[in-house]
Amino acid sequence: EADIYQTPRYLVIGTGKKITLECSQTMGHDKMYWYQQDPGMELHLIHYSYGVNSTEKGDLSSESTVSRIRTEHFPLTLESARPSHTSQYLCASSTPGTGRYEQYFGPGTRLTVT
Amino acid sequence: DAKTTQPPSMDCAEGRAANLPCNHSTISGNEYVYWYRQIHSQGPQYIIHGLKNNETNEMASLIITEDRKSSTLILPHATLRDTAVYYCIVIGAGSARQLTFGSGTQLTVLP
Repeated sequence: EADIYQTPRYLVIGTGKKITLECSQTMGHDKMYWYQQDPGMELHLIHYSYGVNSTEKGDLSSESTVSRIRTEHFPLTLESARPSHTSQYLCASSTPGTGRYEQYFGPGTRLTVT
Repeated sequence: DAKTTQPPSMDCAEGRAANLPCNHSTISGNEYVYWYRQIHSQGPQYIIHGLKNNETNEMASLIITEDRKSSTLILPHATLRDTAVYYCIVIGAGSARQLTFGSGTQLTVLP
């Protein structure tokens, strides 16, 4: 059983608010990822990190930002939430080693911006 | 990374084996076949992966054809909790930084 946690699980917030979605893993994984997924749609990578102080944008453009100050923690921040940010946000981490692509996903945060 | 093709949906009776096919005819020699599933409203879950040989773990078996152009994920005794979207992903051992999930196969296990 993978140990990756996301909080909150559900968040309803008004337009213009600043929010931070938390993601933590206790497996010591160097690689961590943020995906965005609308209901019934594909997952899209929005951010990834290969280690502390390493962050990169994914293929889907996002107004969110991330930080990686500690190995186990990879929070995602939206400075000013808008209704277009309404979606599910999934955090994942992956095992080390070349050729290993087993990613372990958290339960997700379902964000609704009103 | 090679593109994969999966049927959009399948049904399976509870207790029977579920066989989910995947075509990856453009797969290259250093690309692995990975299977994930996503139960409604949850994060994807890793199931199994393979390169050339058939693989088995506590969740499933993966059968890869000799030419590696297709594979089959087998859930030996499907339960209602196996109802999910199953994704077949082909990914190289090199610089890939993400998993690209296509539309997958919606497996519905019927009582």
